[in-house]
Amino acid sequence: QVTLKESGPALVKPTQTLTLTCTFSGFSLSTNGMRVSWVRQPPGQALEWLARIDWDDDKFYSTSLKTRLSISKDTSKNQVVLIMTNMDPVDTATYYCARTTYNFGPLDYWGQGTLVTVSS
Amino acid sequence: DIQMTQSPSSLSASVGDRVTITCRASQSIRNYLSWYQQKSGKAPKLLISDASSLQSGVPSRFSGSGSGTDFTLTINNLQPEDFATYYCQQSYSTPQFTFGPGTKVDIK
Repeated sequence: QVTLKESGPALVKPTQTLTLTCTFSGFSLSTNGMRVSWVRQPPGQALEWLARIDWDDDKFYSTSLKTRLSISKDTSKNQVVLIMTNMDPVDTATYYCARTTYNFGPLDYWGQGTLVTVSS
Repeated sequence: DIQMTQSPSSLSASVGDRVTITCRASQSIRNYLSWYQQKSGKAPKLLISDASSLQSGVPSRFSGSGSGTDFTLTINNLQPEDFATYYCQQSYSTPQFTFGPGTKVDIK
């Protein structure tokens, strides 16, 4: 059974750095083809893809946010970490992690999401 | 970047209706198009991948079609549990996924 779960602070101040952890089970990120992405959704708005890390440690970032994002994995802990710097109130959103199993593939399993509010 | 549009942005329908949602890409994405259902306060759920492949466990009243730039999600015999927001997503420019703005389906 594949599960993913996001964890991190619910509230961060403007200019602070956000660190989110995705802990998953039911698959290994060392398996050929496995990929984990981060997606966010501001309240009442659409979904926005942020970043992805692949089984071979390739990393990809949203063009518009790449200077602020860093993604990494700890295969032994089944975790993926997303770091977003210089947080702003417009970054207030629910952040999801989700799995892809092949190139061009969809996001087939999602975490429940974690709401992050940016406010002083 | 590939832009995705959806129409309508919202619709009202009754149980038993047939509902059609359209998604359009700003350039050809072949068949690299997925559909997701999102209920209020929940994570998106994958319904259809590769434009028309129904995911395991998804009711057969859901179907997808299209290729290139124009795609359709059809829900036959709308059920109460189908009232939700639906998003399309392209994976042609992987990993730079882009999602459509969503279509909210509510009860008439």
